[in-house]
Amino acid sequence: AQTVTQSQPEMSVQEAETVTLSCTYDTSESNYYLFWYKQPPSRQMILVIRQEAYKQQNATENRFSVNFQKAAKSFSLKISDSQLGDTAMYFCAIREGGGADGLTFGKGTHLIIQP
Amino acid sequence: DTAVSQTPKYLVTQMGNDKSIKCEQNLGHDTMYWYKQDSKKFLKIMFSYNNKELIINETVPNRFSPKSPDKAHLNLHINSLELGDSAVYFCASSPPQGHTEAFFGQGTRLTVV
Repeated sequence: AQTVTQSQPEMSVQEAETVTLSCTYDTSESNYYLFWYKQPPSRQMILVIRQEAYKQQNATENRFSVNFQKAAKSFSLKISDSQLGDTAMYFCAIREGGGADGLTFGKGTHLIIQP
Repeated sequence: DTAVSQTPKYLVTQMGNDKSIKCEQNLGHDTMYWYKQDSKKFLKIMFSYNNKELIINETVPNRFSPKSPDKAHLNLHINSLELGDSAVYFCASSPPQGHTEAFFGQGTRLTVV
């Protein structure tokens, strides 16, 4: 079974700084997908970024980018020019194989952006 | 035009009661899920349905019974509620392609008193 580990329960940075959230995972599958979700205080789960394991290029979405190290099974999220609205819980997740398989989540990192 | 909607958003009930949470998606997805988020924010899958057929049934008490009347709906019925059932329950859906994310409802905060 797959597992996801987020080793930083909470992080705090100043607005406009860059912050990196760490995530490691374990899976026996060669075909899998990785995701970062954001959960603000509103409770809504919002996709931040996704990465297909077979793609070597790191995914980027505006201020959000990942550092995907397949051999090390590491999938960190970098947030550049952090904004107050980035304050939220961030969850790393993995899905193996097809769409009917659910997501396995890490325990989350609570990110606080200070003004 | 909410993609995945679940009702109610909040539910407070007494121990021993039976309650249901409804979920509907208008995205045309084949697969729907129920996740539970506990008080420490940990999210764990409970059930997965694909075209009304149960695919994943994680170790949850059999007091929890999902029902899928059609591809667009997946309801969660909970019998004999216990204090430990208090949590946020999320419905989600996704298309068959594994690289596509799951789309989540806004969650239902269940409080058992």
